[in-house]
Amino acid sequence: DAMVIQNPRYQVTQFGKPVTLSCSQTLNHNVMYWYQQKSSQAPKLLFHYYDKDFNNEADTPDNFQSRRPNTSFCFLDIRSPGLGDAAMYLCATSNWQETQYFGPGTRLLVL
Amino acid sequence: DQQVKQNSPSLSVQEGRISILNCDYTNSMFDYFLWYKKYPAEGPTFLISISSIKDKNEDGRFTVFLNKSAKHLSLHIVPSQPGDSAVYFCAATTNYGGSQGNLIFGKGTKLSVKP
Repeated sequence: DAMVIQNPRYQVTQFGKPVTLSCSQTLNHNVMYWYQQKSSQAPKLLFHYYDKDFNNEADTPDNFQSRRPNTSFCFLDIRSPGLGDAAMYLCATSNWQETQYFGPGTRLLVL
Repeated sequence: DQQVKQNSPSLSVQEGRISILNCDYTNSMFDYFLWYKKYPAEGPTFLISISSIKDKNEDGRFTVFLNKSAKHLSLHIVPSQPGDSAVYFCAATTNYGGSQGNLIFGKGTKLSVKP
């Protein structure tokens, strides 16, 4: 009964090598979110899509991009990962102004 | 600057007793508050929420209290059970869920309930 699925659960990449994280949902929610959570820190919103409308947080680095090809899928692209980008990346979905449902997260390691 | 603060990184409670998790916020524009629970290797799951027009919301063993004047909210779990052992995140927002606001999380409090 998986509702928000994130693949892979663990991702290792090299410094500067582009990486893509994937999120899919079976809830048919119109909003999808990407959060970054570093160790012992609060999850921090990077951006969200309301349908196809992309909303970037003001302090999200340009190194982070996102794509939402359809309702079910959303991708997080990190163009040139640095050591400081190692974190847990959480995807969440919701309907407008309703509860957010989170996926299990992808832990990114940058070597 | 943290807008949502959970000053206790951890809390240990005996089974059957009350667990009280605290959260403070600085932004007076926040009008909706949520608690999420997170087990290891899982994403956060919604637990309970409260609107700023209320001062209390109860759901089974879980009650959230909001003190707007003090900019403080707390989550009470009574009675605590070993299965409640998890990290609890406090979150706040303005105009819940809309593009005008997003969830601002605290750093979390790790609750351990001992049998």
